[in-house]
Amino acid sequence: DAGVIQSPRHEVTEMGQEVTLRCKPISGHDYLFWYRQTMMRGLELLIYFNNNVPIDDSGMPEDRFSAKMPNASFSTLKIQPSEPRDSAVYFCASSARAGPTEAFFGQGTRLTVV
Amino acid sequence: GENVEQHPSTLSVQEGDSAVIKCTYSDSASNYFPWYKQELGKGPQLIIDIRSNVGEKKDQRIAVTLNKTAKHFSLHITETQPEDSAVYFCAASTGGGGADGLTFGKGTHLIIQP
Repeated sequence: DAGVIQSPRHEVTEMGQEVTLRCKPISGHDYLFWYRQTMMRGLELLIYFNNNVPIDDSGMPEDRFSAKMPNASFSTLKIQPSEPRDSAVYFCASSARAGPTEAFFGQGTRLTVV
Repeated sequence: GENVEQHPSTLSVQEGDSAVIKCTYSDSASNYFPWYKQELGKGPQLIIDIRSNVGEKKDQRIAVTLNKTAKHFSLHITETQPEDSAVYFCAASTGGGGADGLTFGKGTHLIIQP
C-alpha cells in the first residue's frame, strides 16, 4: 500500500477563495482523521470519521471549515472562504480499528492564504 | 478534554549521548501513549507506543516509560545518531485510543550534534 495520500502537497490561495484538500486513506482502514499543524498550536485534531461517518467535529475551528467522506477511499476538507490565519499544514491520517492503534499520517498539505 | 505538555521544546545532544523527552497529561482516563517522529516535509510517523497496563517498553535504542500515578511519560533515545535529528511528538488518547483521535504535545526539536 502506498500509505495515506494527500493532495495537493502545496496550495497557495488568495484570501476569500475556496480551498479543497484531498485525502486517500490506507485501504481497509475504518478511521480517518484530519489534523492541522501550526507553530503556535502544534497538531490539532479537527475531525474524524468512522466508516465514512463523521464522529467528532468539535475541533473544526469555524463554520468556514467542512469535511466530507463520500466513500471509504476518499475524504475532503474544505475551507470557504479562506483567511490568512488558516495558513498551516493539514494532515490526514487513518487507522485500522478502534482501540489503541497506530495512526498513519499522510505527507500533509501546506496551505498558504495570502 | 485532554491536555498534553511536552518538554523541552528544543534539545541538542552530542552524537552518541542519550536524549530524554518528557510529557505530562491531564486526563487520568488516558490509556494509550504513542510517540511520533516527524522529519522535515513529512508527516509524523509512529516510533513507539505504550499502553497503560505497562510501565516500560523498549525497542532497540528507544525506550518509553510511563508513570500513571504521576501522569507522565518519557522517551529515551540512547546512542543518538545523526538520523535521530527530527521533531518528536508525544500524544495521549482515552478510551478508544486511535479511534478517538490523539491529543499531541507541542513537540521537541531534537538536534544531534556531530
